[in-house]
Amino acid sequence: QITLKESGPTLVKPTETLTLTCTLSGFSLSTSGVAVGWIRQPPGKALEWLALIYWDDDKRYSPSLKNRLTITKDTSKNQVVLTMTNMDPVDTATYYCTHRGDYLLWGQGTLVTVSS
Amino acid sequence: DIQMTQSPSSLSASVGDRVTITCRASQNISRYLNWYQQKPGKAPNLLIYAASSLQSGVPSRFSGSGSGTDFTLTISSLQPEDFATYHCQQSYSISITFGQGTRLEIK
Repeated sequence: QITLKESGPTLVKPTETLTLTCTLSGFSLSTSGVAVGWIRQPPGKALEWLALIYWDDDKRYSPSLKNRLTITKDTSKNQVVLTMTNMDPVDTATYYCTHRGDYLLWGQGTLVTVSS
Repeated sequence: DIQMTQSPSSLSASVGDRVTITCRASQNISRYLNWYQQKPGKAPNLLIYAASSLQSGVPSRFSGSGSGTDFTLTISSLQPEDFATYHCQQSYSISITFGQGTRLEIK
């Protein structure tokens, strides 16, 4: 059974860097074809795709946030890490980790609030 | 990016009603369209993939149709547990995009 679990801070200050970790279970990031990504959802708003990393370390980013995002993987720990720099209150959202195939399998999400 | 326009943004209906939600893509996405249901405080849950394939365990009252740019999600007879928010998502491009969501409320 494929599961994903997000972890990281629940509160960050404006201008700080956010680091979120996704721990994978039931599949391996070293398997050909596997991809894991991040999606966020501000309270009461639409879902927004952020970034994606493939088993071969190919990386893709949302054009609108590309300059602030970095996605990496640690195959030995079966984890994916997303960093977002220069956080702002508009970045307050639930951040989801997803297994990317023909459709998405979702983690439970983690709410990150940006406030001083 | 491929823009996904979902309508309506909200909908009031009664138990037993037939409900249709539409999603329009800004370009041809073939059948690379998925539908998710989301309840408050929860992650989205897959209902339909590849435009019309019912995910295992999802009740048969849910159905999807369409191809190209126009897609629909239909709930044939609303049940109390169906009141939630519904999202369409295109998987045609690497930069996946979502509709704005449809909030289905009890009338």
